[in-house]
Amino acid sequence: DTGVSQNPRHKITKRGQNVTFRCDPISEHNRLYWYRQTLGQGPEFLTYFQNEAQLEKSRLLSDRFSAERPKGSFSTLEIQRTEQGDSAMYLCASSLTGGPRDEQFFGPGTRLTVL
Amino acid sequence: AQSVTQPDIHITVSEGASLELRCNYSYGATPYLFWYVQSPGQGLQLLLKYFSGDTLVQGIKGFEAEFKRSQSSFNLRKPSVHWSDAAEYFCAVIDYKLSFGAGTTVTVRA
Repeated sequence: DTGVSQNPRHKITKRGQNVTFRCDPISEHNRLYWYRQTLGQGPEFLTYFQNEAQLEKSRLLSDRFSAERPKGSFSTLEIQRTEQGDSAMYLCASSLTGGPRDEQFFGPGTRLTVL
Repeated sequence: AQSVTQPDIHITVSEGASLELRCNYSYGATPYLFWYVQSPGQGLQLLLKYFSGDTLVQGIKGFEAEFKRSQSSFNLRKPSVHWSDAAEYFCAVIDYKLSFGAGTTVTVRA
């Protein structure tokens, strides 16, 4: 078990382009979360999955954002028509069942820079 | 909604000195509270957590935190800081998702 992995680690793109990030959770973890962290702030919740079902999306997640978790394994987060305000660290976390006492294990994040 | 506040944006401490980071929570019932550490280029690592019971919680790397309901606080402490403790520290509260404070950056001077 190598923990939560995220790819790519860094992404630089031009405004208006589409980007996609991937998260591979710890195997057998049913719950998967996406958070966004901007400079000088703590991570903010974006969305989460229980197996393949997306159960909640934050208001931070505009229509340009979409997330999937096919087959309840890895997850992808796509941003369409990127804007400079999308520049941030995108963090993925997973937990075994999703209960509040379940530790969420975080990946190293994908740092997005939109030029 | 549950939330936490970290009043200190940046703290500088000498190596070997004690460290205390403040965290205040807002929640009517007993919250589930966490402290995470984030080093440059690293992911978030859980230091310790509080759910119920003993109000003094021991964590990894020599850290401890004390839950004080009367003060709505969950402050993190370390008796003697090492240079490797320089990092950003986040307090968080959970219902099903984590809600983080803005973080406190710790600088350790020799």
